[in-house]
Amino acid sequence: GQNIDQPTEMTATEGAIVQINCTYQTSGFNGLFWYQQHAGEAPTFLSYNVLDGLEEKGRFSSFLSRSKGYSYLLLKELQMKDSASYLCAVVNQAGTALIFGKGTTLSVSS
Amino acid sequence: SAVISQKPSRDICQRGTSLTIQCQVDSQVTMMFWYRQQPGQSLTLIATANQGSEATYESGFVIDKFPISRPNLTFSTLTVSNMSPEDSSIYLCSVETSGSYEQYFGPGTRLTVT
Repeated sequence: GQNIDQPTEMTATEGAIVQINCTYQTSGFNGLFWYQQHAGEAPTFLSYNVLDGLEEKGRFSSFLSRSKGYSYLLLKELQMKDSASYLCAVVNQAGTALIFGKGTTLSVSS
Repeated sequence: SAVISQKPSRDICQRGTSLTIQCQVDSQVTMMFWYRQQPGQSLTLIATANQGSEATYESGFVIDKFPISRPNLTFSTLTVSNMSPEDSSIYLCSVETSGSYEQYFGPGTRLTVT
């Protein structure tokens, strides 16, 4: 089967850096995704990692270690608008769809 | 990317009735998916909607309860049948466009069953 773990909630202040961790267990691996979901809205794509290492995209970076079954999403220079849920997802065993973790709710305060 | 619309955006239904949710994409896509997001929870995959064949359902979801149609490469419907309050949820369709597993989501349909 597949199992994905993320912290339920995190808090941070404007301008700070926050790291959201995700551990996963899966038979077969076709990549790991991070999505952002603001309250009442659909999830939007942030990043996709299939090889080990760090992928940087503006203020957001995502890291993957396949041997450790571990990923993190790094958010720099936090802004109030970054308050949202961050969902870690892996491709399912059939290689056809995404299986999501429970999500991490990030609250950014001034 | 893809632009996805869903109808209705929200509905309040009585238990025992059925609701059909429509998902329209602005381009032809191979893979379409239906997810459920219960209040305060993450997304759970219901099924993969296959064009020209029956949908593939995940464990815990069955065709009699959630029949799916996929008549062409830009459209799909999900029906929630014989509804109960436990079916109150947001239902989202998503598509994969590039073969890289990246998915784009529709705005969702917020269903309340009374």
